[in-house]
Amino acid sequence: AQKITQTQPGMFVQEKEAVTLDCTYDTSDPSYGLFWYKQPSSGEMIFLIYQGSYDQQNATEGRYSLNFQKARKSANLVISASQLGDSAMYFCAMRAPQGGSEKLVFGKGTKLTVNP
Amino acid sequence: DAGVIQSPRHEVTEMGQEVTLRCKPISGHDYLFWYRQTMMRGLELLIYFNNNVPIDDSGMPEDRFSAKMPNASFSTLKIQPSEPRDSAVYFCASGIQGGAETQYFGPGTRLLVL
Repeated sequence: AQKITQTQPGMFVQEKEAVTLDCTYDTSDPSYGLFWYKQPSSGEMIFLIYQGSYDQQNATEGRYSLNFQKARKSANLVISASQLGDSAMYFCAMRAPQGGSEKLVFGKGTKLTVNP
Repeated sequence: DAGVIQSPRHEVTEMGQEVTLRCKPISGHDYLFWYRQTMMRGLELLIYFNNNVPIDDSGMPEDRFSAKMPNASFSTLKIQPSEPRDSAVYFCASGIQGGAETQYFGPGTRLLVL
């Protein structure tokens, strides 16, 4: 079965500092994709970054980077130079197309609070 | 480009009433997904369509829930009869097949069943 685990219900960080949000996954499918989404208090789901299981390099998108450790089955999100607007829920998700399924499986999320 | 459009944004109804949620996917996307988000269960997939055909409805809670996609630009999720435990935020998302292609989420419909 496919599973995403986010062990940090809440995280705090000072503005301008970096923060790492943890994500571990479980799948037997050799081909999979990992995603991070941000959900601010307004409720929308915003795509941040993607990492494919065969990608050789860690994904980066602006201040977001994904620390992908395949052997450990972890895909941690690193946010550099935190801003107040980064305060939100962050969800890790996986797509592992066993049997052709395109569905995303989500973790429970981590609530990030950026302090001024 | 307009994103995924959902209506209504908020719905308050009484137990036993029929509720219909609507979604317009991004033009050109051939996948459409319905998710439900609750505090207890998090984000869970209800059903998804590919080229208007339902592919995986294993997440649909029970027969009270039904979803249709009559054409590439419109989908509905219907709950009949509604129950208080159906209260949640319902998201529609659309995308194209696989790989690095992400799913783009609509703003969600916040449903409250009294």
